[in-house]
Amino acid sequence: EAQVTQNPRYLITVTGKKLTVTCSQNMNHEYMSWYRQDPGLGLRQIYYSMNVEVTDKGDVPEGYKVSRKEKRNFPLILESPSPNQTSLYFCASSTRRGTGELFFGEGSRLTVL
Amino acid sequence: AQRVTQPEKLLSVFKGAPVELKCNYSYSGSPELFWYVQYSRQRLQLLLRHISRESIKGFTADLNKGETSFHLKKPFAQEEDSAMYYCALSGLGNQGGKLIFGQGTELSVKP
Repeated sequence: EAQVTQNPRYLITVTGKKLTVTCSQNMNHEYMSWYRQDPGLGLRQIYYSMNVEVTDKGDVPEGYKVSRKEKRNFPLILESPSPNQTSLYFCASSTRRGTGELFFGEGSRLTVL
Repeated sequence: AQRVTQPEKLLSVFKGAPVELKCNYSYSGSPELFWYVQYSRQRLQLLLRHISRESIKGFTADLNKGETSFHLKKPFAQEEDSAMYYCALSGLGNQGGKLIFGQGTELSVKP
């Protein structure tokens, strides 16, 4: 089944404790992206990747890192999480020159205390 | 600046009533517009795109370049239409799937 898989789905952590949210897709998509969803703000892009070893900042990259060492994986790294990073995170993928249809993961709800 | 605006956070209608979710955009070139839907406890998924000019689940949306709008419409709402709806714009063709999302509108269809 074609899908985007995120882990963990739920996480409660404390300020400053490094964490990684993994994202994997099995559709051989070149493009992958991370979004955060906050009430009243909709979906905001954090980082995106056009292909292996090619990443770029989205609209709200502060406090996040990403890497794209393999085509299927695009982990989101919070080196020193803070409470304002409490949010619902979505990973998505698509073909590079696709029609704009993004395939989303189920989301990862992160709480930073 | 590229921007997508959905002016209504919440839209509540009764079953069988017409529904229109508003979406306005700001973009200087030729945009591609989309509607994504997120049902309760499900992942976001594409509902429809303007280039397809199709009707999905009874929903339609027409791109009005003069008014820079892409409103989503359905003549008779159903309870199963209750969900979060996001309008999205793709205007950077070379970047493939880069989308800018609006703030979202929660549609509640009451019995």
